[in-house]
Amino acid sequence: EVVLTQSPGTLSLSPGERATLSCRASQGVSSSHLAWYQQRPGQAPRLLIYGASKRATGIPDKFSGSGSGPDFTLTIGRLEPEDVAVYYCQYYGDSPLPFGGGTKVEIK
Amino acid sequence: EVQLVESGGGLVKPGGSLRLSCAASGFTFSFHTMNWVRQAPGKGLEWVSSISSSSNYIFYADSVKGRFSISRDDATNSLFLQMNSLRAEDTAVYFCARAPYSSGWSAFDYWGQGTLVTVSS
Repeated sequence: EVVLTQSPGTLSLSPGERATLSCRASQGVSSSHLAWYQQRPGQAPRLLIYGASKRATGIPDKFSGSGSGPDFTLTIGRLEPEDVAVYYCQYYGDSPLPFGGGTKVEIK
Repeated sequence: EVQLVESGGGLVKPGGSLRLSCAASGFTFSFHTMNWVRQAPGKGLEWVSSISSSSNYIFYADSVKGRFSISRDDATNSLFLQMNSLRAEDTAVYFCARAPYSSGWSAFDYWGQGTLVTVSS
């Protein structure tokens, strides 16, 4: 069973800075089945990235995904107040479909 | 516009049962795998269950296997989660989420706003 470990737990940056979030899988996983979600406070999750690097419909190009098993990265360019959220990675290659523990992004 | 609206949450005693519903609109429901994901208060996301189109494939997280049952009614564009033998650790917001394909594994491209289930005596 795949376990996803996200780091850091919390990321506090100034507006305009770039955020780099990490997701590490416990075993070899296909990059075709790695997704990233954004969950703003009080809201449902929103799909940002699927297949490790493909942006979902309507997602601005300030969000980019990269990497291959076991290490994946979500980069958020030029942080804005609306980017304050918890970001989760998910592996969807096989049941169960684990999520990482999340990275909370804050604005200083 | 794709919409997923969950209902059926509430307060239930340990050992009790609850049936969640998810009303879907804005897309051809029968063509899509559907999923339940939950989030305990202040915690992260946990996948619960998935059902493919035509209910050919059904999967559960180990934490709910044997207690929860997922089903769908394509005639009414509805997804269900029957939850039995509820425990305190099942307390969470339950989200309904769509996958873009009829079968096989994929990311969840649309989510409902969730319904809160509280298990407490």
